Amino acid sequence: QVQLQESGPRLVKPSGTLSLICSVSGDSIDSRNRWNWVRQAPGKGLEWIGEISHGLSADYNPSLKSRVTISVDTSNNQFSLTLISVTAADTAMYYCGRLRYTGSYWGGFDFWGPGTMVVVSS
Amino acid sequence: EVVLTQSPGTLSLSPGERATLSCRASQSVSRGFLAWYQQRPGQAPRLLIYGTSTRAAVIPDRFSGSGSGTDFTLTISRLEPDDIAVYYCQQFGITPYTFGQGTKLEI
Repeated sequence: QVQLQESGPRLVKPSGTLSLICSVSGDSIDSRNRWNWVRQAPGKGLEWIGEISHGLSADYNPSLKSRVTISVDTSNNQFSLTLISVTAADTAMYYCGRLRYTGSYWGGFDFWGPGTMVVVSS
Repeated sequence: EVVLTQSPGTLSLSPGERATLSCRASQSVSRGFLAWYQQRPGQAPRLLIYGTSTRAAVIPDRFSGSGSGTDFTLTISRLEPDDIAVYYCQQFGITPYTFGQGTKLEI
């Protein structure tokens, strides 16, 4: 069974850096699947942050592109999110998720982590 | 970016009834890249439908998806109390991937 788990600081100061890790089990980060970050501000909808696939460059939401980096750590089967210059508007639940690729079709975001709430506050 | 507009914003129905949720795209979306998710309160989203009409693993056949081009529909037949959630459509064919704003289902 595929499992994803987010981890990282829950409180970040304004203008600081938000760093999260998504640990993957039951699948290899080297696979052709794509590894995504999605966030959800309190009481709001889902916002796609970006994705990465091993061997390919990351792709980001233009609304965050100047501040975000997603990278892969194959030795630990993890991928990470770094968001710089955070403000209160970055306070949200952050989810990691797998976009499944079977070789012939894309199967949606079929596995998600439980999410981690990050608050930006001094 | 592809803007997805869901309607209605809130849907109030009774157990056993049928729910019809709409998702309209600002430009044509390939059928293979349209998905629906269920998000129960306090939980992560759960994949219901991918490829417009294919049910994800262990999703009951009460859930069905249809549509093409710019108009897509999620239908939930025989509503159960457990179906209380917000439902999101998503396109993942063109980056940035986008979600609709959600339809809240009340039972």
